[in-house]
Amino acid sequence: QSALTQPPSASGSPGQSVTISCTGTSSDVGGYNYVSWYQQHPGKVPKLMIYEVSKRPSGVPDRFSGSKSGNTASLTVSGLQAEDEADYFCSSYAGSNNLLFGGGTKLTVL
Amino acid sequence: EVQLAESGGGLVKPGGSLRLSCVASGFTFSSYSMNWVRQAPGKGLEWVSSISSGSTYIYYADSVKGRFTISRDNAQNSLHLQMNTLRAEDTAVYYCARCVVGGTMHAFDVWGQGTMVTVSS
Repeated sequence: QSALTQPPSASGSPGQSVTISCTGTSSDVGGYNYVSWYQQHPGKVPKLMIYEVSKRPSGVPDRFSGSKSGNTASLTVSGLQAEDEADYFCSSYAGSNNLLFGGGTKLTVL
Repeated sequence: EVQLAESGGGLVKPGGSLRLSCVASGFTFSSYSMNWVRQAPGKGLEWVSSISSGSTYIYYADSVKGRFTISRDNAQNSLHLQMNTLRAEDTAVYYCARCVVGGTMHAFDVWGQGTMVTVSS
């Protein structure tokens, strides 16, 4: 199975909103409500930001939200802040006890 | 504090073996499914393997099936990954990661710092 498809880059100005997409197929993103999003700053460990499409772990600001429509999941970051600049990876359960990740999106805060 | 600490990485020749370990602290290790996730230098994340809380269910990515073996020791709060027949494409930082409550492999809420594995002659 191929990795999920994410745009290589996204950007926005402080205070704006930006949405990052994650496209899969009906066998992964579209077939299960098990999409997660991770934030990774350079040289740091990935951090879970969203799981099960739209749930936020404790401590994650509500500026981060997740959604899904068909085979595409989305992460929206509202009220962009400088510290949001990082790489973002999506993942989805893909059936048959397999998990796929996206290639990652570098978010730049202008 | 909830923590995971990996060890065992290093430089190994193609075809060689390595055993990674991960020690957990700050939570009831035996209640959670655990996973290994890797990240090649400058690349994205790749799920490697998963083991349920009681070791009943074990899963592998196709890329490592037959070469890697995951195991755990709940008495020692430890997770292991035995890697055999290593290839250059296995070069990566290997993270130990805890699955969210009630899950096996779909979301990881606690990550270790990672241990680097380099496969090169």
